[in-house]
Amino acid sequence: AQKVTQAQTEISVVEKEDVTLDCVYETRDTTYYLFWYKQPPSGELVFLIRRNSFDEQNEISGRYSWNFQKSTSSFNFTITASQVVDSAVYFCALSEANYGGSQGNLIFGKGTKLSVKP
Amino acid sequence: NAGVTQTPKFQVLKTGQSMTLQCAQDMNHEYMSWYRQDPGMGLRLIHYSVGAGITDQGEVPNGYNVSRSTTEDFPLRLLSAAPSQTSVYFCASSLTNQETQYFGPGTRLLVL
Repeated sequence: AQKVTQAQTEISVVEKEDVTLDCVYETRDTTYYLFWYKQPPSGELVFLIRRNSFDEQNEISGRYSWNFQKSTSSFNFTITASQVVDSAVYFCALSEANYGGSQGNLIFGKGTKLSVKP
Repeated sequence: NAGVTQTPKFQVLKTGQSMTLQCAQDMNHEYMSWYRQDPGMGLRLIHYSVGAGITDQGEVPNGYNVSRSTTEDFPLRLLSAAPSQTSVYFCASSLTNQETQYFGPGTRLLVL
């Protein structure tokens, strides 16, 4: 069955530290998509990245980077030189492309709350 | 583009009351969905639609109805509110069910 696990419930770091948020997924599909969303204290959900199952290249966007490893079913998210504005809840999510009629439906992890202290 | 809009932002209901949460998008997206967010639970899919006239159930559909008469609108109806439906509700849309979903600002619902 499909599942997303974010084992870290809460993480607290001091500004300028690097931090990695873990995401492990389970899927029966060979074609799937992985996502990260950010939920700042204001409550909205902000899309960060989408990665398909055939593209294992790591991605970097400014201070953000993502490491996708199919061998370990992981899609980890690293923030380099964290800032107070990075404080938020971060969600990892999975959608399957081929399974039954549920293509596209997002399966979310329970989220990791990141607190960055000045 | 306004993106995905949701109304109201906040609502208080009494047990047994009914109400409709509104969701609209102006991006001509075919796929729309409703999620609820509860503390420590992440987001869970309630209902979704792959196009006008087509809806289906998600993980937690009980107590909710939806319809999709137009591409733009996807209202969520609570027929008889229960305290267990106290939650934050998010609507999302995407061009197709294979594309990135973008979320509305959410509706915070309190059922007393």
